[in-house]
Amino acid sequence: DTEVTQTPKHLVMGMTNKKSLKCEQHMGHRAMYWYKQKAKKPPELMFVYSYEKLSINESVPSRFSPECPNSSLLNLHLHALQPEDSALYLCASSRRIGTEHYEQYFGPGTRLTVT
Amino acid sequence: QQQVKQSPQSLIVQKGGISIINCAYENTAFDYFPWYQQFPGKGPALLIAIRPDVSEKKEGRFTISFNKSAKQFSLHIMDSQPGDSATYFCAANFGASGSRLTFGEGTQLTVNP
Repeated sequence: DTEVTQTPKHLVMGMTNKKSLKCEQHMGHRAMYWYKQKAKKPPELMFVYSYEKLSINESVPSRFSPECPNSSLLNLHLHALQPEDSALYLCASSRRIGTEHYEQYFGPGTRLTVT
Repeated sequence: QQQVKQSPQSLIVQKGGISIINCAYENTAFDYFPWYQQFPGKGPALLIAIRPDVSEKKEGRFTISFNKSAKQFSLHIMDSQPGDSATYFCAANFGASGSRLTFGEGTQLTVNP
């Protein structure tokens, strides 16, 4: 089973709203990720959590706030977003293969539109 | 140094033909090369991956060829089907970067019936 689930599938929010994206995996993976993907572009890494601790923040604006409540759940809290933040937000989790590498599995994404 | 260059940007193939997508990298520290397949409105799905200790890996109709000296790797899709129509991303990673993947820009494949 390599399933990562994300809710909601679609989200429309105004620039003054606060909303959250949720991600869940039950594969026992200890690393989880948030990516942002614009149309016809590759995913861009935003955050990495390793063993429930934030290990990578790719200089993401503070209007995006990640949270990892436990090893299976990952949230992305959104506040005061801009229209240019409209994108597909992808969650991923990974398992270690060998000693150094990680096999990443992506969820279906949340299509976010900021109006 | 961190880039992975992918070509072509788009590819049209007839049903039953061979689709070939190429990627080139500069950073010789890269030692893990996955390919992802993404359908519209869906997340990328891990398709196949290779490490540089082998020159080829095959899974069903999908084959990765790896040329370490040329710092190139490619995805071959044999007997291409309309259901293979998707965007394909190559990626690369090296151990010291942890789990960070460097993606190519993507290839939009269309397989005509």
